[in-house]
Amino acid sequence: GEDVEQSLFLSVREGDSSVINCTYTDSSSTYLYWYKQEPGAGLQLLTYIFSNMDMKQDQRLTVLLNKKDKHLSLRIADTQTGDSAIYFCAESIRSSGSARQLTFGSGTQLTVLP
Amino acid sequence: DTEVTQTPKHLVMGMTNKKSLKCEQHMGHRAMYWYKQKAKKPPELMFVYSYEKLSINESVPSRFSPECPNSSLLNLHLHALQPEDSALYLCASSQEEGYRNTGELFFGEGSRLTVL
Repeated sequence: GEDVEQSLFLSVREGDSSVINCTYTDSSSTYLYWYKQEPGAGLQLLTYIFSNMDMKQDQRLTVLLNKKDKHLSLRIADTQTGDSAIYFCAESIRSSGSARQLTFGSGTQLTVLP
Repeated sequence: DTEVTQTPKHLVMGMTNKKSLKCEQHMGHRAMYWYKQKAKKPPELMFVYSYEKLSINESVPSRFSPECPNSSLLNLHLHALQPEDSALYLCASSQEEGYRNTGELFFGEGSRLTVL
């Protein structure tokens, strides 16, 4: 079965880098995602990485994937107060037809201190 | 249009009421999903529709009844709910498999349900 784990809390100072870590267990995952959820809102996709990649950079975001250890990380450079939110990693396997089944991690509450 | 629209945003209902949550997308996506999310927890998958047919039911109690009238609409009918069913209900959609498909799920803002 699938299991995705994250640490629950992370606090950083504004302007510092944040690193959010995630471990997953399903080696058949084709995509891995990072979603952001602000209070009272739905989930917003931040970035994704295909399972044959090691790294992906998108502006302030850097995703690192270690397939051997089944470890995924999200680095946010120059963290701002607007980055305060819950961050979920998720792994995806194809389900049926056009559907994909996502398994979410427990979420990491990122707090950015001024 | 890259939005998934959910209505109502907030719903309060008694345990004997019947109500419905609605979800709409016009991105041509052929998979639609209902998730349930409790406070500070990850979303939990409830149902998946693929090409307007129910493909996954994650052992959800029958007091929740999904419906997909067409490829753009997804409903969740609620009847005889319990207070522990109070949660944020999220709808999502995803496009068909194919080249360049990132598998991304597009989420709505959710319907916050309170059962008294």
